[in-house]
Amino acid sequence: AQRVTQPEKLLSVFKGAPVELKCNYSYSGSPELFWYVQYSRQRLQLLLRHISRESIKGFTADLNKGETSFHLKKPFAQEEDSAMYYCALSVGSSYKLIFGSGTRLLVRP
Amino acid sequence: DTGVSQDPRHKITKRGQNVTFRCDPISEHNRLYWYRQTLGQGPEFLTYFQNEAQLEKSRLLSDRFSAERPKGSFSTLEIQRTEQGDSAMYLCASSGRSRGLNNNQPQHFGDGTRLSIL
Repeated sequence: AQRVTQPEKLLSVFKGAPVELKCNYSYSGSPELFWYVQYSRQRLQLLLRHISRESIKGFTADLNKGETSFHLKKPFAQEEDSAMYYCALSVGSSYKLIFGSGTRLLVRP
Repeated sequence: DTGVSQDPRHKITKRGQNVTFRCDPISEHNRLYWYRQTLGQGPEFLTYFQNEAQLEKSRLLSDRFSAERPKGSFSTLEIQRTEQGDSAMYLCASSGRSRGLNNNQPQHFGDGTRLSIL
């Protein structure tokens, strides 16, 4: 079965603390994974994708095929990072996305 | 380019009525997707177009749902005989043509149409 699991509905941290948003996937093929972010009153937007292997806004994510994980990390959280974060798996010839249920990140001052 | 545009932003209707939503993708994007999102969940795939051809439909898309993309540009999603369970946010996304060896271009989302069934 194709599935994306984000075990935490809410993650609350203080400004400057490290952040790790967990994402696990289930897929028999070669996975292509994304992190999307939705800031308050804004549309869903791409944060990063695993094949780019880049850091966006200080966030990084490494694909671990052994653990079937794609956790999102940032060493020092900022208040402006507060948002809803979705992990997504791209599957099939249509490249449709299968999303996790999302994690709300709250960064407190 | 203003990105993916969806209309209307909100739709309130009575159970049993028909509704139609419109999506204007980013110009020159040949791929177009519809998703549905309910409270507390991530978006769920409904259907996919490549140009004007509807190439994939989810089992979530019952017979009451129909989508079109007549000229390979804008798309419409119609729900007939709406039910309470159809209340959700309907999201449209588009992505561009392949670049080099990478066929999987990122999807860009619209603001969505929020449907409320009374």
